[in-house]
Amino acid sequence: GENVEQHPSTLSVQEGDSAVIKCTYSDSASNYFPWYKQELGKGPQLIIDIRSNVGEKKDQRIAVTLNKTAKHFSLHITETQPEDSAVYFCAASNRDTGFQKLVFGTGTRLLVSP
Amino acid sequence: DAGITQSPRHKVTETGTPVTLRCHQTENHRYMYWYRQDPGHGLRLIHYSYGVKDTDKGEVSDGYSVSRSKTEDFLLTLESATSSQTSVYFCAINGYPVGNNEQFFGPGTRLTVL
Repeated sequence: GENVEQHPSTLSVQEGDSAVIKCTYSDSASNYFPWYKQELGKGPQLIIDIRSNVGEKKDQRIAVTLNKTAKHFSLHITETQPEDSAVYFCAASNRDTGFQKLVFGTGTRLLVSP
Repeated sequence: DAGITQSPRHKVTETGTPVTLRCHQTENHRYMYWYRQDPGHGLRLIHYSYGVKDTDKGEVSDGYSVSRSKTEDFLLTLESATSSQTSVYFCAINGYPVGNNEQFFGPGTRLTVL
């Protein structure tokens, strides 16, 4: 089955710096890669996703890149702000099965210091 | 926010007692999921449902059962709780085939088994 690895487990940056979180996956059939942000005491919230027919996707300060050959994808946050502090999870699934059966990474705790 | 509620939000119980967690949605989505979240493991799928009375196992289903008698409710039961089931439990829903096949999470239930 699919296995998703995520690094780093913790990441500390200064406000205004960029942050990069990386994930690798094992199943070449995976074709959908969402990223979730989880704030303390809340459920994960989808912030951006990418499908395997796209190499990069941007949404304001957030971008995700995908390298299908190397089986890795990354989340990039530019101009970080204290409110970006949270735990971020990557995930992978094969959408050809219809509904999502997501496999998650182990999470990255991002701390943005003012 | 997607209309997902979980109850109870917090529960403390003793080893060997039965526990039922409830997930309720107002979106009329077909697919519902139960995950557990533990440090170092991210989110792991316990069981999922693809319709009323239609359920299947996820990667960590041992010791758990589920039921779905109505579209809006998905129940997770621990028949005889153990300390290893102390965790935060999240319910999620997916509107496939309607929408973008995104998965939305509830606020979570923190369960402590003493």
